[in-house]
Amino acid sequence: DADVTQTPRNRITKTGKRIMLECSQTKGHDRMYWYRQDPGLGLRLIYYSFDVKDINKGEISDGYSVSRQAQAKFSLSLESAIPNQTALYFCATSDLWVSNNEQFFGPGTRLTVL
Amino acid sequence: TQLLEQSPQFLSIQEGENLTVYCNSSSVFSSLQWYRQEPGEGPVLLVTVVTGGEVKKLKRLTFQFGDARKDSSLHITAAQTGDTGLYLCAGLNTNAGKSTFGDGTTLTVKP
Repeated sequence: DADVTQTPRNRITKTGKRIMLECSQTKGHDRMYWYRQDPGLGLRLIYYSFDVKDINKGEISDGYSVSRQAQAKFSLSLESAIPNQTALYFCATSDLWVSNNEQFFGPGTRLTVL
Repeated sequence: TQLLEQSPQFLSIQEGENLTVYCNSSSVFSSLQWYRQEPGEGPVLLVTVVTGGEVKKLKRLTFQFGDARKDSSLHITAAQTGDTGLYLCAGLNTNAGKSTFGDGTTLTVKP
């Protein structure tokens, strides 16, 4: 079984709709991250969380919100989706106690906003 | 904001050729990582370099961290079709506990 799972894997929605992307992990890591990936722009950090009570904005948090429901679950919401939020979204985890901060990524969610 | 620039953005070569990919920044990082991403999957860590001037080898891949810890390079010897993928560098700021990713190099190795 995959250590970091994301649901759904693909989603097509319309402008103005509320969308939630979910991430679950079985690695027991405290740190979780949400990134978006656009062609030619690498990975950009949206939000990150270092434990259940900790939420931090990344470099592109506008238009997004997150919820850390448990150590293993971190969800990303788009309150009112817009077309320029069409992208590939990745959840990642890392272990607080490992100095190199190796991140383990889920398989990604491809979101299309029409 | 710390920025990492990778070059080239795209690289297409024949199997057996050598190549080098660069990752440059004006900022100093605690360490620098290289990830590889295949279509339909998330990135997977290849290596972490920590010390300025450090060189690490992973089979045909050689990774170097610049003396000033601002840049890095990835050299592949005798590329194989299985090396095809997106290569991402990531700079770690230990104090902030998060990484900054470069914009990636898409490598295609043709048989």
